[in-house]
Parts: sequence; structure tokens; C-alpha cells
Amino acid sequence: NAGVTQTPKFQVLKTGQSMTLQCAQDMNHEYMSWYRQDPGMGLRLIHYSVGAGITDQGEVPNGYNVSRSTTEDFPLRLLSAAPSQTSVYFCASSARDTRSGNTIYFGEGSWLTVV
Amino acid sequence: AQTVTQSQPEMSVQEAETVTLSCTYDTSESNYYLFWYKQPPSRQMILVIRQEAYKQQNATENRFSVNFQKAAKSFSLKISDSQLGDTAMYFCAFMKYNTDKLIFGTGTRLQVFP
Repeated sequence: NAGVTQTPKFQVLKTGQSMTLQCAQDMNHEYMSWYRQDPGMGLRLIHYSVGAGITDQGEVPNGYNVSRSTTEDFPLRLLSAAPSQTSVYFCASSARDTRSGNTIYFGEGSWLTVV
Repeated sequence: AQTVTQSQPEMSVQEAETVTLSCTYDTSESNYYLFWYKQPPSRQMILVIRQEAYKQQNATENRFSVNFQKAAKSFSLKISDSQLGDTAMYFCAFMKYNTDKLIFGTGTRLQVFP
């Protein structure tokens, strides 16, 4: 019963480096999304996907890239890391099921520091 | 665009007492969901309670209940019989119906004292 799994949990990057945050869910959910959480703020949506092959931008998409080749996986790519991308990143998934009231399941978060 | 406002950055309450966290939101939508999430120091996001906007009855989950005032666009969380384990950040969130995209407030840090 894994739910939403994010890797890595912690990462330190140098400015300009690229990396990928991995997200996988085993609940066959259509909808997946990435949020970031900065100090003193709530979570903000970066990118989301309503199904394999379909992605769209959220509130703060700049500097990030996503793809959805399978239902299970939704990786987030940092193209050229900047200190402003230091944050905690959350992956989330949900089923388009009105009976469940669109319950959203979150991963445990990935702490990223860019120096 | 929708916005969610939590005007209380920090709150404190004594164990076994009751505390109310405030949340207001702005939207022109008629169908939506409202949520309260708890985030303990581990940073895990835990759903506390959910309210469907079309339901007039306030949602309750054990010690947690909401006061949903749709016309006033207010959605407060009441925690009864506060426990030390309730110490956490609490986020109010809005979701337009059938979008699965959450809009969060800035959070209220709740400290429960023995």
C-alpha cells in the first residue's frame, strides 16, 4: 500500500545543475500534480497532468519541466537549478471520482536546497 | 482567480480546550470544495476535513468541525478537546469542482500547550 512515492527525500544541488524529482503512484489515479512549499506560504501548484500524455502549467511553472508517459509516473525536472528553487516539493495524485470528493493524496515531500 | 486567506499566522491553546482557526476565500464559482489540511513537523500533508460547497450542513470529523458560511465565503475550523498531537501547521485550501487543483492559504501554526 505505497500510495504516492517521491524520491529523493533530500537533495543539495549547485546553481546551474539539473535534476529530476521522481513521483510514482500505485492507485491508478488519472490526475497527478507537483506543488512547492516555501517558508511562510502554502503549497503552490507547479504543473499538473490529467492523464498520460497530457500536462499543463500551474501557478509557478517557470524553471520546471514535466512529462507523463505512464499513468503511474510524473517526474519533475529542474532544467538549471537556481537558489530561488530551494523549497519542499510535494507530488500529489487523485482519482476523478466524485464519490470520493476528489480526495487528493500527497507524497511525503522532497527537500531541495540549491546553493 | 481564487484566493484563500488565513489571517492568523499563529494560535495557541491549552490541552483539552477548544480553538477555532479562521479562513476566508474569494471565488466566483458556485461549485467547489474546501479543505483543511494538517502539516506536522514531518511535513506530511494530512487531510483533516472536507466540505462540499453545495452542502449546507457543516462537515464534522470526530473532534474537528467546520463553520461554513457560503455567502460570507468563510470556512473556519474548530478543534474541540485539543490534544498535544494537534500541534501543527493548518492550511485551508480551495478546489474548484472537478479540477483537482488546490489553492492554499498561507497557514496557521497551532501550538497546543499541556
